[in-house]
Amino acid sequence: DAKTTQPTSMDCAEGRAANLPCNHSTISGNEYVYWYRQIHSQGPQYIIHGLKNNETNEMASLIITEDRKSSTLILPHATLRDTAVYYCIVTSGSRLTFGEGTQLTVNP
Amino acid sequence: KAGVTQTPRYLIKTRGQQVTLSCSPISGHRSVSWYQQTPGQGLQFLFEYFSETQRNKGNFPGRFSGRQFSNSRSEMNVSTLELGDSALYLCASSLPTSGSSTGELFFGEGSRLTVL
Repeated sequence: DAKTTQPTSMDCAEGRAANLPCNHSTISGNEYVYWYRQIHSQGPQYIIHGLKNNETNEMASLIITEDRKSSTLILPHATLRDTAVYYCIVTSGSRLTFGEGTQLTVNP
Repeated sequence: KAGVTQTPRYLIKTRGQQVTLSCSPISGHRSVSWYQQTPGQGLQFLFEYFSETQRNKGNFPGRFSGRQFSNSRSEMNVSTLELGDSALYLCASSLPTSGSSTGELFFGEGSRLTVL
């Protein structure tokens, strides 16, 4: 699986959009980009995934650059409950390799 | 729809003992994966089962084993417990996938094991 690089931490004001970047410059053609988050002491929660095209669901949007070497997870209107560690994972198989993730703190 | 259920939620064991953790996947999900989470190593993949067969295995010693039953429920076992096995053990289930995508994994709340 390709390695991913994420900022260690980010802050966001409540109600504003949170944009979480992820670099995956060694991604290969059949690898998907997945985003999960983990709120303290809970199991990770799936957010969204994509291959080439931008994706949107009820939780977030995923923007993947044309060369697929980076992506951005967008939480359009962050709330205090979005405070969590966000993991960007690249994989083509059935196992997930979690890195350090980004600690997102949403401030009132 | 019930989520992934893991039992027990908390347990304390002593070095040298063995432990069995249980995972009931979401109804209809046939793939079950196990992960270990520790403060030092983060979330690490243990193994994955699909239709009672181990499909993938992480880099853990043979003391860690698992199995899946015909109803997709899964158990993992750790023998000869060491202090370093203290961790949150997470189970995740998913629908069968068509090939190159893992699909969406649904995680349980985990079993927190403390080894004294």
